[in-house]
Amino acid sequence: ETGVTQTPRHLVMGMTNKKSLKCEQHLGHNAMYWYKQSAKKPLELMFVYSLEERVENNSVPSRFSPECPNSSHLFLHLHTLQPEDSALYLCASSQDAGGLGNTIYFGEGSWLTVV
Amino acid sequence: DAKTTQPPSMDCAEGRAANLPCNHSTISGNEYVYWYRQIHSQGPQYIIHGLKNNETNEMASLIITEDRKSSTLILPHATLRDTAVYYCIVRVVGLSSGYSTLTFGKGTMLLVSP
Repeated sequence: ETGVTQTPRHLVMGMTNKKSLKCEQHLGHNAMYWYKQSAKKPLELMFVYSLEERVENNSVPSRFSPECPNSSHLFLHLHTLQPEDSALYLCASSQDAGGLGNTIYFGEGSWLTVV
Repeated sequence: DAKTTQPPSMDCAEGRAANLPCNHSTISGNEYVYWYRQIHSQGPQYIIHGLKNNETNEMASLIITEDRKSSTLILPHATLRDTAVYYCIVRVVGLSSGYSTLTFGKGTMLLVSP
């Protein structure tokens, strides 16, 4: 248990569907992150939120829409995805987004399959 | 791009120490070295991190050379459950955002055998 919980763990969606991934952290952290891990590729940073404000958007297509309503929750809204978007989506959090010595903790991930 | 170099794979016998090397010759003075591992189909698990001094916790030890250009992660008594991909990461501040994140490379696949 890392204190970062992701739901659902597995999701299958069609290319015309709209779905959302949810992340909740119980660590009192102020920064949250979305990462993507495609098959046989390194983890890629998608978004960074600090105190509910998006501070990094790593050239992610608009079909991925993040939302951070408060410092404990982070969503990734998905719409009109492509099969190549199938991947493991990982949420993470840290005390803040600036400190190099602040550990980033990951959730277990949400496996997404786009059909 | 990742600022570290790791061997793609290593083997270790169960019960023996696993020593995983990492080169980070371009590391800057305020940048930390982090180690994570990822067991198949799971999220990365934090292991340990350090700046200059050697560090030890309940999972592992981190040995950083005096010039900080390389480090070694030591699992003192490897078990079968330590089989995973191990990532050595130099945590940097993003040029565009000013915020620090983790950039993952390909890591080292450690296989612990009976």
